[in-house]
Amino acid sequence: AQSVTQLGSHVSVSEGALVLLRCNYSSSVPPYLFWYVQYPNQGLQLLLKYTSAATLVKGINGFEAEFKKSETSFHLTKPSAHMSDAAEYFCAVSFPTGNQFYFGTGTSLTVIP
Amino acid sequence: EAGVTQFPSHSVIEKGQTVTLRCDPISGHDNLYWYRRVMGKEIKFLLHFVKESKQDESGMPNNRFLAERTGGTYSTLKVQPAELEDSGVYFCASSQRGSPLHFGNGTRLTVT
Repeated sequence: AQSVTQLGSHVSVSEGALVLLRCNYSSSVPPYLFWYVQYPNQGLQLLLKYTSAATLVKGINGFEAEFKKSETSFHLTKPSAHMSDAAEYFCAVSFPTGNQFYFGTGTSLTVIP
Repeated sequence: EAGVTQFPSHSVIEKGQTVTLRCDPISGHDNLYWYRRVMGKEIKFLLHFVKESKQDESGMPNNRFLAERTGGTYSTLKVQPAELEDSGVYFCASSQRGSPLHFGNGTRLTVT
């Protein structure tokens, strides 16, 4: 069975501090991994994706994520939080053999001035 | 290019009523998905169209939900009759094969 676990439904960081949002997956086959962001009253936007190329993936707005197979993780990081980063973040997994995407429960990020 | 559009953005209905949600995917995207998020929980898959055909409807909760995609363009999701537990945000997404999903802004459904 495939699943995605996001540790921490709410994360608060100070402006300028490191952002770390955790995502672990379980899969019996090599996955594709994604991070999506949802700003208030908007749809989900793709932040970045891993599709079996470089394990360190850079996305938009200064975010990056590293695929670690040994840890089955795909944590999202940003060196310095900005107020505009406040949003909900979703980790998702899909597979080359199919078209279905599986999402985590989401992590709400608050940035404190 | 125009993104995925969903209508309405909000809907408040009473238990037992019918609601129809609409999704217009990005032009040329054969894959169309419906997802639902109940408050505080994960985004759950409902079903997947490839053009006008239902590829996978394993996530549909029960037979009160009916999705269609006539002509392989826009899709509708009808809930009839609506129950309280149907409340949530319904997302539509579209994609080309092998590409990430492009999401609409969602329809927030409240059943009272």
